[in-house]
Amino acid sequence: NAGVTQTPKFQVLKTGQSMTLQCAQDMNHNSMYWYRQDPGMGLRLIYYSASEGTTDKGEVPNGYNVSRLNKREFSLRLESAAPSQTSVYFCASSGRYKNTGELFFGEGSRLTVL
Amino acid sequence: KNEVEQSPQNLTAQEGEFITINCSYSVGISALHWLQQHPGGGIVSLFMLSSGKKKHGRLIATINIQEKHSSLHITASHPRDSAVYICAVDFGNEKLTFGTGTRLTIIP
Repeated sequence: NAGVTQTPKFQVLKTGQSMTLQCAQDMNHNSMYWYRQDPGMGLRLIYYSASEGTTDKGEVPNGYNVSRLNKREFSLRLESAAPSQTSVYFCASSGRYKNTGELFFGEGSRLTVL
Repeated sequence: KNEVEQSPQNLTAQEGEFITINCSYSVGISALHWLQQHPGGGIVSLFMLSSGKKKHGRLIATINIQEKHSSLHITASHPRDSAVYICAVDFGNEKLTFGTGTRLTIIP
C-alpha cells in the first residue's frame, strides 16, 4: 500500500525555470493538499482540492498553480521559480470531504532555487 | 486571526521520563491533529481529535475545548520518540493551521 507518493524528492532549479511536483494517492481520498515547510515556520497551505475537479487557494498560493487531474493525482507547478520558493514541499491527502480527516503525507520534495 | 501555539519549542529528557507537549489555539475548532516528523523528514499522523482523549500505545492526546488547549503525552519515553511533534488545527474552514512544532530529544 503506497499511500501518498510525490516526486521528485530533490530538485535544483535556476531562477525563472519551471517545474511540476507530482503527487498521487491510492486511498481513494477526496481531499488533497500541497504544503510548504520552511525553517522556523509551521507548514503552510499552498493549494488544496476538496474533490476531483475543484481547487482552492491556501495561505501562500502566489507563484504556484495546481491541477487535480483525477481523484488520485494533484500536481503543483512553479511557472517561473524564484529563490523564495526554496523549501520542502509536502503533498497530503485525507478521506473526509468538507472536513479534514486523518492526514496522510508524502515523503516531501526538497526544492532549491538558485 | 486563527492562531496555533505550541510549547515548549524544544524539549530534552532522559529515557523513561513522562513527556508533555502543549498546543493552544485562538478560537473554536472542529478538529485538532497531532503529527510526528522524524529527522528523515517524513510526517506521520498520530491523532485526530475533537473532544476528550485518545490513546495509542504510549501516546495519549487530550483536548479541552473550553480552554482551547490540547496536550500530547508520551509515557516511558524512548530515544526512538525523538522527533518534531506538530499540532495542527482545523478551524472549520476545510484548511489546517499548523504550529511550529516541538523538537523532542530523548537521551538514553
